[in-house]
Amino acid sequence: SQTIHQWPATLVQPVGSPLSLECTVEGTSNPNLYWYRQAAGRGLQLLFYSVGIGQISSEVPQNLSASRPQDRQFILSSKKLLLSDSGFYLCAWSESASSYNEQFFGPGTRLTVL
Amino acid sequence: AQSVTQLDSQVPVFEEAPVELRCNYSSSVSVYLFWYVQYPNQGLQLLLKYLSGSTLVKGINGFEAEFNKSQTSFHLRKPSVHISDTAEYFCAVSQGDTGRRALTFGSGTRLQVQP
Repeated sequence: SQTIHQWPATLVQPVGSPLSLECTVEGTSNPNLYWYRQAAGRGLQLLFYSVGIGQISSEVPQNLSASRPQDRQFILSSKKLLLSDSGFYLCAWSESASSYNEQFFGPGTRLTVL
Repeated sequence: AQSVTQLDSQVPVFEEAPVELRCNYSSSVSVYLFWYVQYPNQGLQLLLKYLSGSTLVKGINGFEAEFNKSQTSFHLRKPSVHISDTAEYFCAVSQGDTGRRALTFGSGTRLQVQP
Protein backbone atom coordinates (compact mmCIF):
# COMPACT_ATOMS: atom_id res chain seq x y z
CA SER A 1 0.00 0.00 0.00
CA GLN A 2 1.02 3.59 -0.49
CA THR A 3 2.05 5.91 2.30
CA ILE A 4 3.05 9.55 2.40
CA HIS A 5 5.34 11.09 4.98
CA GLN A 6 6.00 14.68 5.92
CA TRP A 7 8.56 16.12 8.27
CA PRO A 8 8.97 17.81 10.49
CA ALA A 9 5.50 17.68 12.07
CA THR A 10 5.92 21.07 13.70
CA LEU A 11 8.43 23.84 13.21
CA VAL A 12 9.00 27.24 14.81
CA GLN A 13 11.33 29.53 12.87
CA PRO A 14 12.37 33.19 13.17
CA VAL A 15 11.61 35.69 10.43
CA GLY A 16 14.37 35.73 7.83
CA SER A 17 15.52 32.16 8.44
CA PRO A 18 15.54 29.48 5.71
CA LEU A 19 13.00 26.70 5.40
CA SER A 20 13.04 23.15 4.13
CA LEU A 21 10.03 20.85 4.38
CA GLU A 22 10.21 17.35 3.02
CA CYS A 23 7.61 15.00 1.65
CA THR A 24 8.16 11.42 0.51
CA VAL A 25 5.80 8.85 -0.95
CA GLU A 26 6.20 5.08 -0.72
CA GLY A 27 4.56 2.28 -2.64
CA THR A 28 4.03 3.99 -5.99
CA SER A 29 6.06 5.20 -8.95
CA ASN A 30 6.04 8.51 -10.82
CA PRO A 31 3.31 10.11 -8.72
CA ASN A 32 2.02 13.62 -9.23
CA LEU A 33 3.01 15.61 -6.15
CA TYR A 34 1.47 18.70 -4.59
CA TRP A 35 2.17 21.29 -1.89
CA TYR A 36 -0.74 23.12 -0.22
CA ARG A 37 -0.87 25.73 2.51
CA GLN A 38 -3.65 26.45 4.98
CA ALA A 39 -3.43 29.77 6.77
CA ALA A 40 -5.29 29.95 10.09
CA GLY A 41 -9.02 29.60 9.51
CA ARG A 42 -8.58 29.57 5.76
CA GLY A 43 -9.07 27.02 3.01
CA LEU A 44 -6.49 25.15 0.97
CA GLN A 45 -4.16 27.07 -1.30
CA LEU A 46 -2.29 25.07 -3.93
CA LEU A 47 1.32 26.27 -3.98
CA PHE A 48 3.13 23.90 -6.35
CA TYR A 49 2.58 20.67 -8.20
CA SER A 50 4.89 18.34 -10.06
CA VAL A 51 4.23 15.69 -12.71
CA GLY A 52 7.83 14.41 -12.80
CA ILE A 53 11.39 14.84 -11.59
CA GLY A 54 12.51 18.43 -12.05
CA GLN A 55 9.08 19.50 -13.34
CA ILE A 56 7.50 22.09 -11.06
CA SER A 57 4.44 24.23 -11.69
CA SER A 58 3.94 27.24 -9.47
CA GLU A 59 0.38 28.27 -8.75
CA VAL A 60 1.02 31.41 -6.72
CA PRO A 61 4.12 33.63 -6.97
CA GLN A 62 5.54 34.09 -3.50
CA ASN A 63 8.43 33.65 -1.13
CA LEU A 64 8.56 29.87 -1.53
CA SER A 65 10.04 27.41 -4.02
CA ALA A 66 9.71 23.68 -4.60
CA SER A 67 12.00 20.99 -5.93
CA ARG A 68 11.67 17.34 -6.85
CA PRO A 69 15.14 15.80 -6.74
CA GLN A 70 13.87 12.22 -6.81
CA ASP A 71 10.77 10.51 -8.16
CA ARG A 72 9.01 10.27 -4.80
CA GLN A 73 10.50 13.22 -2.97
CA PHE A 74 9.09 16.74 -2.93
CA ILE A 75 10.73 19.59 -1.05
CA LEU A 76 9.34 23.01 -0.15
CA SER A 77 11.91 25.70 0.55
CA SER A 78 12.38 29.33 1.36
CA LYS A 79 15.56 31.40 1.63
CA LYS A 80 14.03 33.93 4.04
CA LEU A 81 10.78 33.29 5.89
CA LEU A 82 8.14 35.97 6.34
CA LEU A 83 5.53 36.17 9.09
CA SER A 84 2.90 35.48 6.44
CA ASP A 85 4.48 32.09 5.71
CA SER A 86 3.02 30.71 8.93
CA GLY A 87 0.44 28.01 8.37
CA PHE A 88 -0.25 24.34 7.97
CA TYR A 89 1.56 22.81 4.99
CA LEU A 90 0.16 19.72 3.35
CA CYS A 91 1.77 17.47 0.79
CA ALA A 92 -0.36 15.23 -1.43
CA TRP A 93 0.11 12.74 -4.25
CA SER A 94 -2.01 11.31 -7.04
CA GLU A 95 -1.58 8.52 -9.56
CA SER A 96 -0.08 9.93 -12.75
CA ALA A 97 -1.76 7.17 -14.77
CA SER A 98 -5.18 8.05 -13.43
CA SER A 99 -7.25 10.76 -15.06
CA TYR A 100 -9.30 11.38 -11.92
CA ASN A 101 -6.60 13.28 -10.00
CA GLU A 102 -7.80 11.81 -6.69
CA GLN A 103 -5.32 13.06 -4.14
CA PHE A 104 -3.96 11.44 -0.99
CA PHE A 105 -2.69 13.72 1.73
CA GLY A 106 0.13 13.58 4.22
CA PRO A 107 -0.22 14.45 7.93
CA GLY A 108 0.98 18.03 7.45
CA THR A 109 3.59 20.34 8.96
CA ARG A 110 2.61 23.17 11.29
CA LEU A 111 4.96 26.12 10.64
CA THR A 112 5.03 29.11 12.96
CA VAL A 113 7.18 32.07 11.95
CA LEU A 114 7.98 34.46 14.81
CA ALA B 1 -11.81 27.51 -15.61
CA GLN B 2 -13.46 25.46 -12.94
CA SER B 3 -14.49 26.63 -9.49
CA VAL B 4 -16.11 25.18 -6.38
CA THR B 5 -18.43 27.02 -4.02
CA GLN B 6 -19.25 25.78 -0.55
CA LEU B 7 -22.11 27.98 0.46
CA ASP B 8 -21.81 27.58 4.23
CA SER B 9 -18.59 28.35 6.08
CA GLN B 10 -19.98 26.91 9.32
CA VAL B 11 -22.83 24.52 10.06
CA PRO B 12 -23.84 23.99 13.70
CA VAL B 13 -26.03 20.97 14.34
CA PHE B 14 -27.13 18.91 17.31
CA GLU B 15 -26.00 15.35 17.78
CA GLU B 16 -28.21 12.75 16.05
CA ALA B 17 -29.73 15.40 13.75
CA PRO B 18 -29.41 15.17 9.97
CA VAL B 19 -27.02 17.44 8.12
CA GLU B 20 -26.41 18.62 4.57
CA LEU B 21 -23.26 20.40 3.46
CA ARG B 22 -23.70 22.15 0.15
CA CYS B 23 -21.29 22.20 -2.76
CA ASN B 24 -21.74 23.72 -6.21
CA TYR B 25 -19.21 23.68 -9.01
CA SER B 26 -18.74 25.33 -12.35
CA SER B 27 -17.05 23.61 -15.26
CA SER B 28 -17.51 23.47 -18.99
CA VAL B 29 -16.44 19.84 -19.24
CA SER B 30 -17.19 16.59 -17.46
CA VAL B 31 -15.89 16.50 -13.92
CA TYR B 32 -15.00 14.15 -11.13
CA LEU B 33 -16.10 15.18 -7.65
CA PHE B 34 -14.73 14.52 -4.17
CA TRP B 35 -15.48 15.23 -0.54
CA TYR B 36 -12.63 15.28 1.97
CA VAL B 37 -12.71 15.61 5.77
CA GLN B 38 -10.04 17.24 7.89
CA TYR B 39 -9.84 16.74 11.67
CA PRO B 40 -7.86 19.31 13.68
CA ASN B 41 -4.14 19.33 12.93
CA GLN B 42 -4.41 16.45 10.49
CA GLY B 43 -4.24 15.96 6.76
CA LEU B 44 -7.28 15.50 4.53
CA GLN B 45 -9.01 12.13 4.31
CA LEU B 46 -11.20 11.09 1.40
CA LEU B 47 -14.87 10.66 2.39
CA LEU B 48 -16.31 9.75 -0.99
CA LYS B 49 -15.99 10.39 -4.71
CA TYR B 50 -18.10 10.52 -7.84
CA LEU B 51 -16.33 9.30 -10.96
CA SER B 52 -19.20 7.91 -13.06
CA GLY B 53 -22.30 5.71 -12.82
CA SER B 54 -24.84 6.06 -10.02
CA THR B 55 -25.34 9.65 -8.96
CA LEU B 56 -25.81 8.65 -5.31
CA VAL B 57 -22.45 7.90 -3.79
CA LYS B 58 -21.90 6.34 -0.38
CA GLY B 59 -18.75 6.98 1.59
CA ILE B 60 -17.15 6.27 4.92
CA ASN B 61 -18.61 7.14 8.34
CA GLY B 62 -22.21 7.00 7.06
CA PHE B 63 -21.90 9.95 4.67
CA GLU B 64 -23.39 10.06 1.20
CA ALA B 65 -23.54 12.59 -1.62
CA GLU B 66 -25.64 13.06 -4.70
CA PHE B 67 -24.28 14.32 -8.00
CA ASN B 68 -26.78 16.56 -9.78
CA LYS B 69 -25.49 17.54 -13.20
CA SER B 70 -28.34 19.91 -14.07
CA GLN B 71 -27.83 21.87 -10.86
CA THR B 72 -24.05 21.41 -10.88
CA SER B 73 -24.18 20.33 -7.26
CA PHE B 74 -22.64 17.61 -5.11
CA HIS B 75 -24.17 18.01 -1.66
CA LEU B 76 -22.97 15.89 1.25
CA ARG B 77 -25.48 14.38 3.66
CA LYS B 78 -25.63 12.31 6.81
CA PRO B 79 -28.92 11.22 8.40
CA SER B 80 -27.64 11.31 11.99
CA VAL B 81 -24.41 13.02 13.05
CA HIS B 82 -22.14 12.22 15.96
CA ILE B 83 -19.89 14.43 18.05
CA SER B 84 -16.95 12.77 16.29
CA ASP B 85 -18.12 14.21 12.94
CA THR B 86 -17.00 17.66 14.08
CA ALA B 87 -14.41 18.63 11.46
CA GLU B 88 -13.76 20.70 8.35
CA TYR B 89 -15.21 19.35 5.11
CA PHE B 90 -13.89 20.19 1.66
CA CYS B 91 -15.53 19.66 -1.70
CA ALA B 92 -13.21 19.32 -4.70
CA VAL B 93 -13.50 18.94 -8.47
CA SER B 94 -11.20 17.53 -11.12
CA GLN B 95 -11.41 17.90 -14.86
CA GLY B 96 -9.39 14.74 -15.40
CA ASP B 97 -6.85 14.84 -18.19
CA THR B 98 -7.93 18.25 -19.45
CA GLY B 99 -6.27 21.30 -17.98
CA ARG B 100 -3.97 21.10 -15.04
CA ARG B 101 -3.54 17.86 -13.16
CA ALA B 102 -4.82 19.16 -9.85
CA LEU B 103 -8.00 19.36 -7.81
CA THR B 104 -9.85 22.62 -7.28
CA PHE B 105 -11.05 22.86 -3.69
CA GLY B 106 -13.88 24.80 -2.13
CA SER B 107 -13.21 27.04 0.85
CA GLY B 108 -14.44 24.44 3.32
CA THR B 109 -17.36 24.02 5.72
CA ARG B 110 -16.81 23.63 9.44
CA LEU B 111 -19.31 21.17 10.87
CA GLN B 112 -19.85 21.71 14.59
CA VAL B 113 -21.83 18.95 16.26
CA GLN B 114 -23.23 19.95 19.63
CA PRO B 115 -24.47 17.57 22.37
